[in-house]
Amino acid sequence: GESVGLHLPTLSVQEGDNSIINCAYSNSASDYFIWYKQESGKGPQFIIDIRSNMDKRQGQRVTVLLNKTVKHLSLQIAATQPGDSAVYFCAESSTGGFKTIFGAGTRLFVKA
Amino acid sequence: EAQVTQNPRYLITVTGKKLTVTCSQNMNHEYMSWYRQDPGLGLRQIYYSMNVEVTDKGDVPEGYKVSRKEKRNFPLILESPSPNQTSLYFCASSLAWGSNEQYFGPGTRLTVT
Repeated sequence: GESVGLHLPTLSVQEGDNSIINCAYSNSASDYFIWYKQESGKGPQFIIDIRSNMDKRQGQRVTVLLNKTVKHLSLQIAATQPGDSAVYFCAESSTGGFKTIFGAGTRLFVKA
Repeated sequence: EAQVTQNPRYLITVTGKKLTVTCSQNMNHEYMSWYRQDPGLGLRQIYYSMNVEVTDKGDVPEGYKVSRKEKRNFPLILESPSPNQTSLYFCASSLAWGSNEQYFGPGTRLTVT
């Protein structure tokens, strides 16, 4: 079946630097790509989504880029803070959002 | 406070003993879903519900049942739990089936011995 995967299982960045978390997907038919953040001991929390007909979408301190040619998705976090330390999941869904397929996750460590 | 609640948060049980994990949301959301989370595998969808009395299988439905008799509740039932169902379970809800913003509960850690 379709899968959503991540290039790196862990990422360590210095506080204040920008973080880039990457994700590869395999289902070209997905309509939306989504990023979630999961802090230790908690459920995932929605960050941002992007529709498949878009290349870029910005939120508060975050930017998601979508490259459909190479089936690649990235989440950029500006001025990374200690509170950004978490596991980040990319996910994809088809029209209607009935099913959501999650990737394995990337753990982000922020060094003070 | 708008939230998704799950009970119990932790459960240790034995093989074959039926159990139910409850999920409730107070946001009047139409869409609800159950996931299991295992190390290295991310979250995998078990079942979802688009509205009352409407449910469908996700990617890993074997060994699980669900029901949606009321809009706010979406219990997960394991009729005969097995050790391979030891996992961390999350319930989630969203406003409607077209919304990507799912709200997750705090999780239920289940151990089946």
